[in-house]
Amino acid sequence: DAGVIQSPRHEVTEMGQEVTLRCKPISGHNSLFWYRQTMMRGLELLIYFNNNVPIDDSGMPEDRFSAKMPNASFSTLKIQPSEPRDSAVYFCASSSNRGRDEQFFGPGTRLTVL
Amino acid sequence: QKEVEQNSGPLSVPEGAIASLNCTYSDRVSQSFFWYRQYSGKSPELIMSIYSNGDKEDGRFTAQLNKASQYVSLLIRDSQPSDSATYLCAVNKHGANSKLTFGKGITLSVRP
Repeated sequence: DAGVIQSPRHEVTEMGQEVTLRCKPISGHNSLFWYRQTMMRGLELLIYFNNNVPIDDSGMPEDRFSAKMPNASFSTLKIQPSEPRDSAVYFCASSSNRGRDEQFFGPGTRLTVL
Repeated sequence: QKEVEQNSGPLSVPEGAIASLNCTYSDRVSQSFFWYRQYSGKSPELIMSIYSNGDKEDGRFTAQLNKASQYVSLLIRDSQPSDSATYLCAVNKHGANSKLTFGKGITLSVRP
């Protein structure tokens, strides 16, 4: 079975540009989580969705960040405009509601904003 | 007090030894507890989950949960160099389909 799929795996962009990160959760999973990981702050939850509905976006740093989940198999995290301090690894994870709450992570997108 | 705390590292053990990784959490209502392993440059990989007090064994790994003392630990027996990684403790307060809170992680190095 395919795991969580993320694209792109690496993104290098210039300050001020729009960045879109993409995620496909594991088939049948109904919860999707976006995380950001840096050396300084560790792994932080940005936002999560249940059944395509955003439940908690309190971790989204500011209005420059937005996330959508138009259907059960696709989500995007957008940063507009991007800033150098957004440089990090962004992970997507998914979980199922069938009695367990284990989350499975995608390979991540390494974002560098110059 | 941080929600999930892991003892500061790095931790270095010789090959074949037992590595003991500890984690404490602040919220008594926490329900589910997880250990993730993360190799450098890779994503976190779930290696153990535990939901009730006591020990849970899976191969060389044993997770221990003590809700009264609010700690969860991971023991790695017969440590191998391939176990060298960062280990993240995660806690879920609200059950299925809710968020995890992660500790900062501890880096384990197993010396050949």
